[in-house]
Amino acid sequence: EDQVTQSPEALRLQEGESSSLNCSYTVSGLRGLFWYRQDPGKGPEFLFTLYSAGEEKEKERLKATLTKKESFLHITAPKPEDSATYLCAVQGGTNAGKSTFGDGTTLTVKP
Amino acid sequence: GAGVSQSPSNKVTEKGKDVELRCDPISGHTALYWYRQSLGQGLEFLIYFQGNSAPDKSGLPSDRFSAERTGGSVSTLTIQRTQQEDSAVYLCASSPPPPREQFFGPGTRLTVL
Repeated sequence: EDQVTQSPEALRLQEGESSSLNCSYTVSGLRGLFWYRQDPGKGPEFLFTLYSAGEEKEKERLKATLTKKESFLHITAPKPEDSATYLCAVQGGTNAGKSTFGDGTTLTVKP
Repeated sequence: GAGVSQSPSNKVTEKGKDVELRCDPISGHTALYWYRQSLGQGLEFLIYFQGNSAPDKSGLPSDRFSAERTGGSVSTLTIQRTQQEDSAVYLCASSPPPPREQFFGPGTRLTVL
């Protein structure tokens, strides 16, 4: 059974204080690892897809990286508008198309 | 371009009543998912449709829950004899053929009194 564990559950940063969110996963035949952002009262919004170990993707202050066991979402010089819950999900080969989500990391960036 | 839409946005019902939640996916997306999210919790997978294949119903919590997808497009999630523990936000998502990112709707907030 595919499993995704995100840490920490909550992270509070000062504006400009860089940090990383972790997503550890167990999956049989990774087909894709996905990062989403969810704002309160809204559906998750897609950020990145990573398909193989060593792959990296960047968007503004966010950078996602992938190894064979985990993914990191690095946040450089965050701003208050980066405050949200960040979700990680995997799709594996044994559950074609079905995604397994982690419980998320809630990030709060104080000005 | 239109995104995923869901209706109603809010639904308040009495215990024991049936409810229907609707999802309109992005045109051309072959995969459609339903999730449930309780307050402050992660996403709980309910059901997954892919093209004309039989749906993956492995996440449905009880036989009170059912879903259908008509014509490979619109989907309806039905909850019969609602219970208070069914109160949650129900999210729908669609995607191109997996493995691809999912596009989520705004959700339907269900409150069972």
